[in-house]
Amino acid sequence: GAVVSQHPSWVICKSGTSVKIECRSLDFQATTMFWYRQFPKQSLMLMATSNEGSKATYEQGVEKDKFLINHASLTLSTLTVTSAHPEDSSFYICSARDSFIPLWDQYFGPGTRLLVL
Amino acid sequence: KQEVTQIPAALSVPEGENLVLNCSFTDSAIYNLQWFRQDPGKGLTSLLLIQSSQREQTSGRLNASLDKSSGRSTLYIAASQPGDSATYLCAVRSNYGGSQGNLIFGKGTKLSVKP
Repeated sequence: GAVVSQHPSWVICKSGTSVKIECRSLDFQATTMFWYRQFPKQSLMLMATSNEGSKATYEQGVEKDKFLINHASLTLSTLTVTSAHPEDSSFYICSARDSFIPLWDQYFGPGTRLLVL
Repeated sequence: KQEVTQIPAALSVPEGENLVLNCSFTDSAIYNLQWFRQDPGKGLTSLLLIQSSQREQTSGRLNASLDKSSGRSTLYIAASQPGDSATYLCAVRSNYGGSQGNLIFGKGTKLSVKP
């Protein structure tokens, strides 16, 4: 099956620094990628959707200048948390979809746990 | 605004029991419904997907049903095993134009199957 990887799996940073998370589709072309955030005991919440080569579409309440998303190639999307603060500590999961597979098929990465001190 | 609720939030059962996880959603205009499994610190694994026109789907010991009109789905796990221990997430894919294709998740049911 299709595989999505994320790097790093764990990151600890100081408040005020920026953190970049990578999401890669390993064996298919991800025309659309999704970034989710999950707080403890909460639902996965969609942050943004990006199509390769286009600007990301952010969900209401998600600051686009704080969470920078780049989907420059068909196999790589990055999420940069700029000037991270403790409240940004969360589990970030990416998901990818290929235009050649059924619309409803999304493949999820293993997630990145971010801890901001 | 679509909301997905899962009951119970946590469940602990002895090995071998049959169990039911519940999912409800507020807006019946869904494209499909999906059940996922999430292991600690891991991503999501898709278990079953039910199209809006379907009533149920089966895979091995898992059976998922969908009653779209009442906004409910159940995941039935037969003869539970310790390896089934995980968090089970229910998600609906909205049918609205602006958000068509986006998954809306419940908070999950954390299942623990004791040997």
